[in-house]
Amino acid sequence: SYVLTQPPSVSVAPGKTARITCGGNNIGSKSVHWYQQKPGQAPVLVIYYDSDRPSGIPERFSGSNSGNTATLTISRVEAGDEADYYCQVWDSSSDHSVVFGGGTKLTVL
Amino acid sequence: QVQLVQSGAEVKKPGSSVKVSCKASGGTFSSYTISWVRQAPGQGLEWMGRIIPILGIANYAQKFQGRVTITADKSTSTAYMELSSLRSEDTAVYYCARDPTQSRDGYIDYWGQGTLVTVSS
Repeated sequence: SYVLTQPPSVSVAPGKTARITCGGNNIGSKSVHWYQQKPGQAPVLVIYYDSDRPSGIPERFSGSNSGNTATLTISRVEAGDEADYYCQVWDSSSDHSVVFGGGTKLTVL
Repeated sequence: QVQLVQSGAEVKKPGSSVKVSCKASGGTFSSYTISWVRQAPGQGLEWMGRIIPILGIANYAQKFQGRVTITADKSTSTAYMELSSLRSEDTAVYYCARDPTQSRDGYIDYWGQGTLVTVSS
């Protein structure tokens, strides 16, 4: 089955740029979606189809996907961005299932 | 505005089954898919399966094949997830979630509030 690898944690100072990676074999050929989850809450979609932003999500959130790595970039990080972030793809190679990365805890210093 | 409202928390004995419901409002129930995703305490997201209500066709993650059944009632815009042969490792928050596409590269744009299922003797 397809595996997505995320760093367990990323730390960034307020106002700086955070980059959260999601690694997978030839992930650039897949559509990647990103979710933000704060404690005790359901996840929220922040990026879909690699780089599209849902309405209501700040322009500070952006995404890219190429080769074996997809990246969620958060510019001008704010304290409210502190959360867990998950990447997601479809694995069409086996049982046509949704796959999530293990999640990355973003800490705003 | 789309809303997914799930049934309440459950406490189950090992070996029993649980059935969680998810009632949708807003949007057209039959035009999208409903996935079920669970999250064990302190752990990440785990996809269990999904259903396309208009077709009544479900597919499941290999891990849960034979133990999970996802159904949908179009007349009440409600989806259900039943998990059998429960064990302590199934203790988790279970989410229903909407994928507005019917494709196999879709995303989730709305989530239910989550249902805590606790498996304990």
